[in-house]
Amino acid sequence: GAVVSQHPSWVICKSGTSVKIECRSLDFQATTMFWYRQFPKQSLMLMATSNEGSKATYEQGVEKDKFLINHASLTLSTLTVTSAHPEDSSFYICSARTIKGSYEQYFGPGTRLTVT
Amino acid sequence: DAKTTQPPSMDCAEGRAANLPCNHSTISGNEYVYWYRQIHSQGPQYIIHGLKNNETNEMASLIITEDRKSSTLILPHATLRDTAVYYCIVRVAGTASKLTFGTGTRLQVTL
Repeated sequence: GAVVSQHPSWVICKSGTSVKIECRSLDFQATTMFWYRQFPKQSLMLMATSNEGSKATYEQGVEKDKFLINHASLTLSTLTVTSAHPEDSSFYICSARTIKGSYEQYFGPGTRLTVT
Repeated sequence: DAKTTQPPSMDCAEGRAANLPCNHSTISGNEYVYWYRQIHSQGPQYIIHGLKNNETNEMASLIITEDRKSSTLILPHATLRDTAVYYCIVRVAGTASKLTFGTGTRLQVTL
C-alpha cells in the first residue's frame, strides 16, 4: 500500500513552453501533497505544500506564478512549470501525506525535466 | 524541527553491517528520528523511525542513545542495492510538520 505515482517520469521541453507534472496517490487519500526539487548532487528542497481544495503554500524563494500547483482532489496534485528555462531543469519529486493516523509521507518516483 | 548532522559519505563491504551515524543534539522530547534513503534517480524511501527505544524492521535497525542526542541506522548485511543517500530527519510524528532533508550520507557498498 501507500503508493504514489508521478507522470511523466521524464520530459524534455523547449525554452518558453510549459510542462505539467502529475502526482497521484494510488491507494490512499491525501489532503496534503508536497513538491520537491532536486538538482544534481544536492538534497531535496521543498518547493511548496499543496492542500486539497485550497491554494498552495510556497517556500521562500519559489515563484508561485512560475510553478503553478493545483490540488483538485484527494488523490491528484499537479505542478505546471510555466515558461520553462534551462535552469528549471531538475528532478521534481512529489510526496503525499495520509490524512489520518501517523501523517506519514510517501514519495513518488520523481520526474526528470530537461529544458533545452 | 531539530537539525541533524551526518557524515557526507561512507563505504561498506558487501555482506558487512553498515552503521550510519546521525547527531541530533537539539532534538525535543516529542520529536522522532526518521530515516529515509534515496537510490539514484528515484524518490526517497522510508526506512524506519523511532522515539527513544531501539527499533527493528525488515530493512534495518535503529539505535537511539539514551540521551537521544544521536542515533545509528544499521543495515545488518549490506548489499550493492543498498548503495544510496541516507537521510536522518527529526520531526514530531502524528502532526502536519514538514519533512526537511539535510545533505545525508552517501553510502557506497562495494564488492
